[in-house]
Amino acid sequence: GQQLNQSPQSMFIQEGEDVSMNCTSSSIFNTWLWYKQDPGEGPVLLIALYKAGELTSNGRLTAQFGITRKDSFLNISASIPSDVGIYFCAGQKGNNDMRFGAGTRLTVKP
Amino acid sequence: KAGVTQTPRYLIKTRGQQVTLSCSPISGHRSVSWYQQTPGQGLQFLFEYFSETQRNKGNFPGRFSGRQFSNSRSEMNVSTLELGDSALYLCASKGQGNTEAFFGQGTRLTVV
Repeated sequence: GQQLNQSPQSMFIQEGEDVSMNCTSSSIFNTWLWYKQDPGEGPVLLIALYKAGELTSNGRLTAQFGITRKDSFLNISASIPSDVGIYFCAGQKGNNDMRFGAGTRLTVKP
Repeated sequence: KAGVTQTPRYLIKTRGQQVTLSCSPISGHRSVSWYQQTPGQGLQFLFEYFSETQRNKGNFPGRFSGRQFSNSRSEMNVSTLELGDSALYLCASKGQGNTEAFFGQGTRLTVV
């Protein structure tokens, strides 16, 4: 089951605004991943993080692997309507199964 | 390179029936994981197969089972379907190094 606390649960923002969401865990992970899911589709990998403190960007998206290895955040700058969807964080340690947050539902108003 | 392929995309079954879902991973990927996604419970891990062996297992009843073939394709079976089994079933494959997981589009199962 889910062991990650993801917040916020939902966000309603205006086009052009920046967005920030985060995940925390009681467990240490070796890998943090962020996914986006559109309705009726499977999650699509956005960013993967492998080292504590790592900061990685993918276009307007930036994610960081927390120093304690128990948290991660995702920022989206200058949001656009196609950013709408559900964003999931996931953590993995070794060959254990991947654990997911409950998701952040993002709505962008034009 | 083709992505993860799940079949069928949609399925309607009656309570008590059984169902088999299929997942073809990305070529070269040997790990396949299955997840159940429902609005109330989010993404719940079912099990993971690696080189035809179940490597990890979630907390689902024995009605949920799976297997993996020598070509890494995987199937998931649910027996004695219940209304609560209605969900989007997703599979994800991982390659060498077992880090990034790539998902298929899912199979939407509706039990009536």
